[in-house]
Amino acid sequence: KAGVTQTPRYLIKTRGQQVTLSCSPISGHRSVSWYQQTPGQGLQFLFEYFSETQRNKGNFPGRFSGRQFSNSRSEMNVSTLELGDSALYLCASSLAGDGSQETQYFGPGTRLLVL
Amino acid sequence: GNSVTQMEGPVTLSEEAFLTINCTYTATGYPSLFWYVQYPGEGLQLLLKATKADDKGSNKGFEATYRKETTSFHLEKGSVQVSDSAVYFCARSNQAGTALIFGKGTTLSVSS
Repeated sequence: KAGVTQTPRYLIKTRGQQVTLSCSPISGHRSVSWYQQTPGQGLQFLFEYFSETQRNKGNFPGRFSGRQFSNSRSEMNVSTLELGDSALYLCASSLAGDGSQETQYFGPGTRLLVL
Repeated sequence: GNSVTQMEGPVTLSEEAFLTINCTYTATGYPSLFWYVQYPGEGLQLLLKATKADDKGSNKGFEATYRKETTSFHLEKGSVQVSDSAVYFCARSNQAGTALIFGKGTTLSVSS
């Protein structure tokens, strides 16, 4: 089975621009979560989607948004980029994400650099 | 608050040394606990997990036991290898099981 895939792997943007990142979950997985990883803040939860609905959201400003499609693929969007948005963005998928016993499987991440 | 605390790194060991990375958590209820590993330039890989008290997770020589009394999930390995050099993250599930809360990560460097 193919793992979680993320595109693009690397991205360079300038302040004020917007960016869209894509994530394809493991086949059969319906829950997709997004995390931001930075040296200062570590790994922080952004949001989680299941059946095209956002079920859970972390403590990030409204500039960060996402969506999920009927095939469970997910995108996240960051508008009006700031220097502090430079980070590794990780996507994770799980079967249904509705039980604490489930395992989340991570993709390789998209490294975003904002200049 | 609800958080995961793991020992600060970096941890530097010689090959075949014993490894312990401490992890404690605070939570409401009994979350699942995880150790993930991140090799340079890569995403996170699940190393092991435990879903209830006294469970022991194990994989590739690594072990961790879910200790409810001490709210801990320390990672151990009897004999580390150079290839174990990576960043190790302790995590717990949130109450709904829809998100992971991570510790800051511990960098392990093993030399031959």
